[in-house]
Amino acid sequence: DTGVSQDPRHKITKRGQNVTFRCDPISEHNRLYWYRQTLGQGPEFLTYFQNEAQLEKSRLLSDRFSAERPKGSFSTLEIQRTEQGDSAMYLCASSLAGGFHNEQFFGPGTRLTVL
Amino acid sequence: QQPVQSPQAVILREGEDAVINCSSSKALYSVHWYRQKHGEAPIFLMILLKGGEQKGHDKISASFNEKKQQSSLYLTASQLSYSGTYFCGTEGSGTYKYIFGTGTRLKVLA
Repeated sequence: DTGVSQDPRHKITKRGQNVTFRCDPISEHNRLYWYRQTLGQGPEFLTYFQNEAQLEKSRLLSDRFSAERPKGSFSTLEIQRTEQGDSAMYLCASSLAGGFHNEQFFGPGTRLTVL
Repeated sequence: QQPVQSPQAVILREGEDAVINCSSSKALYSVHWYRQKHGEAPIFLMILLKGGEQKGHDKISASFNEKKQQSSLYLTASQLSYSGTYFCGTEGSGTYKYIFGTGTRLKVLA
């Protein structure tokens, strides 16, 4: 399967713990996005990368959130000192930069539950 | 600011038509439409660029009026498979940051 993959698919953690999620984009895609989605809401933009450069980060994102894409391929999203409000689906998407086409392909998501 | 979609929810019978609107308060470079089924990731439907173009994909088409900063998605002769939540995604000029709309839940009944 050559789609976007995310790991883990589900994560249950206790408040205060750190968690890290991984996203593997489609191999030739140089843009990678992270979103957070809560029930009944649309995906909320967190950050995006073009290759290894993090070009934009949501102002809604607290300092507890950090993302990396060290070699321009896979990306990790870390949440430190998790809070119950962090419980959500975390979606990763990738796209091919260039031209006008920025169709995003989404991964299956990582569902985080903070107890 | 998040684009506003209307209606929030709609119920159709198979074969009926529907229109979903997406309105932004900011100038738009492009509008994307996605459908998301419960428990699944969003699936891309189509992209519209400024210029007022209209696109079609099977029995789903869309228009984009950049002057009004609005886009509409047209679903004709709806099928059961059209059920899901539809989101518009907007992209401003000079950024590839996506902002998704408030969503429209669509249910098609047999």
